[in-house]
Amino acid sequence: DVKVTQSSRYLVKRTGEKVFLECVQDMDHENMFWYRQDPGLGLRLIYFSYDVKMKEKGDIPEGYSVSREKKERFSLILESASTNQTSMYLCASSPPTSGTGEQYFGPGTRLTVT
Amino acid sequence: DQQVKQNSPSLSVQEGRISILNCDYTNSMFDYFLWYKKYPAEGPTFLISISSIKDKNEDGRFTVFLNKSAKHLSLHIVPSQPGDSAVYFCAASVGTYKYIFGTGTRLKVLA
Repeated sequence: DVKVTQSSRYLVKRTGEKVFLECVQDMDHENMFWYRQDPGLGLRLIYFSYDVKMKEKGDIPEGYSVSREKKERFSLILESASTNQTSMYLCASSPPTSGTGEQYFGPGTRLTVT
Repeated sequence: DQQVKQNSPSLSVQEGRISILNCDYTNSMFDYFLWYKKYPAEGPTFLISISSIKDKNEDGRFTVFLNKSAKHLSLHIVPSQPGDSAVYFCAASVGTYKYIFGTGTRLKVLA
């Protein structure tokens, strides 16, 4: 079974803090993704990575950065947290080619910025 | 511009009846269309997908239909069960990395 784990289920941070969200997958997948989910907006792609040290911006990268030093780990960094970054953050992984196009998601981290 | 749209935010269906969830898209270049189910406090889990070259895919109680001329896909769940109550997201992919998700439809199956 593919497993994608995220370091925290719930996180509360203060405005201006630097925040690290960690994601680990155990299926040796090349591709990893960070999304945020907001009511009425669905899932929106923040960043993705197709290999170690490689990263590409998604649709809403502003205010975020990422790091992928090891194949199994993909970190999302909020350089200076703001209240509009309060959201559910979802990490996903996928193999380079999938017959179904499927992504595997972690359980999510609900981040509250006060 | 929302390339993948789920126009019904919620749907209620009686147990044992058919649930039909709908999704519209605008980009003819999408390769795959996928449906995910999401329970509260959990990540989305893959349900079923369909290649853009097909018009139907079936897996047990779940069938996805793709109408390319109308740029419309639908997910049929027959028979619906209370455990199917969840938020359903449709998604479309272009290549290996680009996934566009709809806003979700909350399905409630009434016992």
